Amino acid sequence: DIQMTQSPSTLSASVGGRVTITCRASQTINTWVAWYQQKPGEAPKLLIYRASSLQSGVPSRFSGSGSGTEFTLTISNLQPDDFAIYYCQQYDSISPYNFGQGTKLEIK
Amino acid sequence: QVQLVQSGAEVKKPGASVKISCMASGYSFTTYFINWVRQAPGQGLEWMGVINTSGGSATYAQKFQGRVTMTRDTSTKTVYMQLSSLRSEDTAVYYCARASGLFGVISPFDYWGQGTLVTVSS
Repeated sequence: DIQMTQSPSTLSASVGGRVTITCRASQTINTWVAWYQQKPGEAPKLLIYRASSLQSGVPSRFSGSGSGTEFTLTISNLQPDDFAIYYCQQYDSISPYNFGQGTKLEIK
Repeated sequence: QVQLVQSGAEVKKPGASVKISCMASGYSFTTYFINWVRQAPGQGLEWMGVINTSGGSATYAQKFQGRVTMTRDTSTKTVYMQLSSLRSEDTAVYYCARASGLFGVISPFDYWGQGTLVTVSS
């Protein structure tokens, strides 16, 4: 199984600020990483796929980078709507499609 | 527009089974696979398996092998997930999610159902 380790587990930031979340894979997975946003009581929403490609309709303040085993999600110019939980997911291998543990982004 | 609409909340006793439905609309049903993901209260996302909506075959996460069955009905564009031998640890919100790649290409999940809460309690 490919394990995905996210850090930090919690992050505090201010509106207008910039944050970076890191995800590390237990083995190389090229760029087969996606990032999701989840708000309380809602289903996850796909933000980024193929490590750095922005899903349609997602604001450009979201960006992703990385390849191999280390990946980052960066959110610039934080908006109140961005405070949520973020998950990375590997899709290099279907067995299984593991997610990271999640990073909760809180308002400072 | 693409929609995945799931069945309502369930309360089950330990040892029972639950069957959740996920009805798709707004796209060609058999072109995209459907995954199931669950989330225990306050916890992260856990992938359970995926079903080929065209051929009907399914691949399950090892953790759920022997307890989970995924099926589909192409006439109603509905996917089902049945989990048996329920225990308290199965209390979670269960989501169906469409794989974004065509014809089973391993891919992230671009559309999700609204979630179905399953509570297992005696």
